Amino acid sequence: DQQVKQNSPSLSVQEGRISILNCDYTNSMFDYFLWYKKYPAEGPTFLISISSIKDKNEDGRFTVFLNKSAKHLSLHIVPSQPGDSAVYFCAAGGTSYGKLTFGQGTILTVHP
Amino acid sequence: GAGVSQSPSNKVTEKGKDVELRCDPISGHTALYWYRQRLGQGLEFLIYFQGNSAPDKSGLPSDRFSAERTGESVSTLTIQRTQQEDSAVYLCASRLSRGGLGNEQFFGPGTRLTVL
Repeated sequence: DQQVKQNSPSLSVQEGRISILNCDYTNSMFDYFLWYKKYPAEGPTFLISISSIKDKNEDGRFTVFLNKSAKHLSLHIVPSQPGDSAVYFCAAGGTSYGKLTFGQGTILTVHP
Repeated sequence: GAGVSQSPSNKVTEKGKDVELRCDPISGHTALYWYRQRLGQGLEFLIYFQGNSAPDKSGLPSDRFSAERTGESVSTLTIQRTQQEDSAVYLCASRLSRGGLGNEQFFGPGTRLTVL
């Protein structure tokens, strides 16, 4: 039972263009969401988060959008840079929970 | 400051042996988590510590898996009688407090376990 799903295993984008990574969830008890970035042989690094009371959060080149009615969130990276090439995981949690539930990840490749 | 550290970085063991994985969280972080990532999959929650107690150990796959934390610091994850399906990267994360947005989890580099 996958409560957090990233349906695109990979995404390829040209440098300077927008990257859009998508994530769907099923558990309506989740009330905050995070995006992590992971390079090979390293642990995931926190990128950006959003509370369920918001529909958008922006940090520099990264923006996360949340559509609660559709149980869908997305991460926009603009402009994309070759250094953004990594695996991106979305994760969901609840304030009374300790754990995060992760999606399977999307491999982003940004071509120069 | 120092991040989350894990040791060993790589561990190769024979089926049936016991292994012990170590995590040193960020100093002052009271919450500690263990996850594992099998090849091509997402992170799978194993256990959560708040201080030295484990209020959520629902992700431990079998009674061969156990974990402890002492002194609100170091944690060890022990896998007894390892099986080939235990092969994965085991990740530890720590967090400043129990919950709430803004208290994101900080991950260590992981221990890659290979069971032959």
